[in-house]
Amino acid sequence: GEDVEQSLFLSVREGDSSVINCTYTDSSSTYLYWYKQEPGAGLQLLTYIFSNMDMKQDQRLTVLLNKKDKHLSLRIADTQTGDSAIYFCAERKGATNKLIFGTGTLLAVQP
Amino acid sequence: KAGVTQTPRYLIKTRGQQVTLSCSPISGHRSVSWYQQTPGQGLQFLFEYFSETQRNKGNFPGRFSGRQFSNSRSEMNVSTLELGDSALYLCASREVNDEQYFGPGTRLTVT
Repeated sequence: GEDVEQSLFLSVREGDSSVINCTYTDSSSTYLYWYKQEPGAGLQLLTYIFSNMDMKQDQRLTVLLNKKDKHLSLRIADTQTGDSAIYFCAERKGATNKLIFGTGTLLAVQP
Repeated sequence: KAGVTQTPRYLIKTRGQQVTLSCSPISGHRSVSWYQQTPGQGLQFLFEYFSETQRNKGNFPGRFSGRQFSNSRSEMNVSTLELGDSALYLCASREVNDEQYFGPGTRLTVT
């Protein structure tokens, strides 16, 4: 199937680290992405990782990829209230531009 | 560069009508993809256009169609609207071998 699964909700305190998890299904996926969606807005590309990488760090964001378990995670260091949003992981199918999105995780950051 | 723009931002239609949504990609981007976002089904791929040709299509009925013009602008059309077509319609543009950037979306409400 094409299901990409995420936990629905995560609540953290400001300044803590947040870890959002994602399980995908297609081992042939070439790229895996993390997008952020704020209320009433479109999708903002946060970061992505190529399938032959294990880890990618970009400022406060760290992406970990476990291909064996088809598990992707996004760690946000020093989480701020402005990070409150819905986070989507997505896998890209082969050479196409078709993205299969996860169900989204609502991140709530408590001051 | 200006981002992806979508018009209109909000639209209210009644059942049985048809609607046309427009997307202007980032300058220089030749690939445009469309996605539908609903609370029940999440983000689902509709279709992708590149150089005026449809390259990929999702699992949507024939009432959903699209096209791309020579300037890479794209339109999608939904005929015989149903209540279930109420959704946020997102357009994304991409340069060759680059990542997809999303517009703010068009919020369609069918009454």
